[in-house]
Amino acid sequence: KQEVTQIPAALSVPEGENLVLNCSFTDSAIYNLQWFRQDPGKGLTSLLLIQSSQREQTSGRLNASLDKSSGRSTLYIAASQPGDSATYLCAVPTGGGNKLTFGTGTQLKVEL
Amino acid sequence: NAGVMQNPRHLVRRRGQEARLRCSPVKGHSHVYWYRQLPEEGLKFMVYLQKENIIDESGMPKERFSAEFPKEGPSILRIQQVVRGDSAAYFCASSPELAGKETQYFGPGTRLLVL
Repeated sequence: KQEVTQIPAALSVPEGENLVLNCSFTDSAIYNLQWFRQDPGKGLTSLLLIQSSQREQTSGRLNASLDKSSGRSTLYIAASQPGDSATYLCAVPTGGGNKLTFGTGTQLKVEL
Repeated sequence: NAGVMQNPRHLVRRRGQEARLRCSPVKGHSHVYWYRQLPEEGLKFMVYLQKENIIDESGMPKERFSAEFPKEGPSILRIQQVVRGDSAAYFCASSPELAGKETQYFGPGTRLLVL
């Protein structure tokens, strides 16, 4: 059974700091890995999707890496801003690809 | 170009009543997924549907919960005889193909409160 873990559970940083969020998964046989952002009381916004054949994916100040063999992914956020404050979730498709298994999330707060 | 739409956004029910949650997928998407986010817990898969078919309901409680995705109209998640433990945020997602190949697009969720 696939299990997805995220550390830290919560993180508070000053504005401008670079930071890394971690995601680990127990079953390395994945199609891809996705990072989402969830704002309080809102839905999920897809940030980055890394296919299993890729090592990393970049979008603006965000960079996600994937190491399937070790069952790990990281989300790097450069020059953090208060608007980055949200909960960040990683997820992998399981059960033949028709359902996502989510990590428990990292709650990020970027302070002025 | 509308994304996934869910209604209502907030729903209050008393114990024993029925709750009906609606989801309209992105236009052209034929795959719908329902997830539940209990307070202080992560998102958990409930059910995966294609038009007129339930493909995977392994995450759905065996009693009181049902889901459908008719040929016409939105997908419906129905909870009969709600209990306080059903209070949660229910999210719908859609994709044009299986999630293994494509990202899933999420709706804003329906927040159910059972009094």
